[in-house]
Amino acid sequence: QSALTQPASVSGSPGQSITISCTGTSSDVGSYNLVSWYQHYPGKAPKLMIYEVSKRPSGVSNRFSGSKSGNTASLTISGLQAEDEADYYCCSYAGSSTSFGGGTKLTVL
Amino acid sequence: EVQLVESGGGLVQAGGSLRLSCAASGFTFSSYAMSWVRQAPGKGLEWVSGISGSGGSTYYADSVKGRFTISRDKSKNTLYLQMNSLRAEDTAVYYCAKDRRLGEVPTATFDYWGQGTLVTVSS
Repeated sequence: QSALTQPASVSGSPGQSITISCTGTSSDVGSYNLVSWYQHYPGKAPKLMIYEVSKRPSGVSNRFSGSKSGNTASLTISGLQAEDEADYYCCSYAGSSTSFGGGTKLTVL
Repeated sequence: EVQLVESGGGLVQAGGSLRLSCAASGFTFSSYAMSWVRQAPGKGLEWVSGISGSGGSTYYADSVKGRFTISRDKSKNTLYLQMNSLRAEDTAVYYCAKDRRLGEVPTATFDYWGQGTLVTVSS
């Protein structure tokens, strides 16, 4: 049960696009299309932004998109807005367990 | 409206026990797998344990296996986490989370989360 690997931080200016990577193994990300992404503000409950690699829940902006290639999943946020500044976590099904990434702090400059 | 409300957190000495509860409402509780996820101070999210909709299957992170027990009570629409032999490294905010997909098997996709309950283990 190893954590998925994410960059510790990313940044971008308003209106720009950023991508957060999430690298796992053939036992988690590479084997299942059950990768999800969460937005987390300190002191709040995490919010589901992307599920099953690339699907958006109702109410989530279409500025958020997800993809996967091999053992690496990615979250892209386009048209960055100030309110996007938060921590982002990837998560993958791993058979009889679940793995989260270490989290990425997004700063909107 | 789906609501998950955790309770039972607090300060406990190392080696002690605590039982967390998560009261669920707004959905058919027994139709969804549930999980506990924690966040230690200054750290990221860590999946702790999951349970199938019926409660017949349980799953644990290696870090808590043999010390924590997850369970659910259909009649009370409540999820539990019994935590024994607590260690300083178990200090965290504990969230309960609902699996997004209708069905028995956990899918590691959480569409609703509680606000969390803080567990502090003093050494």
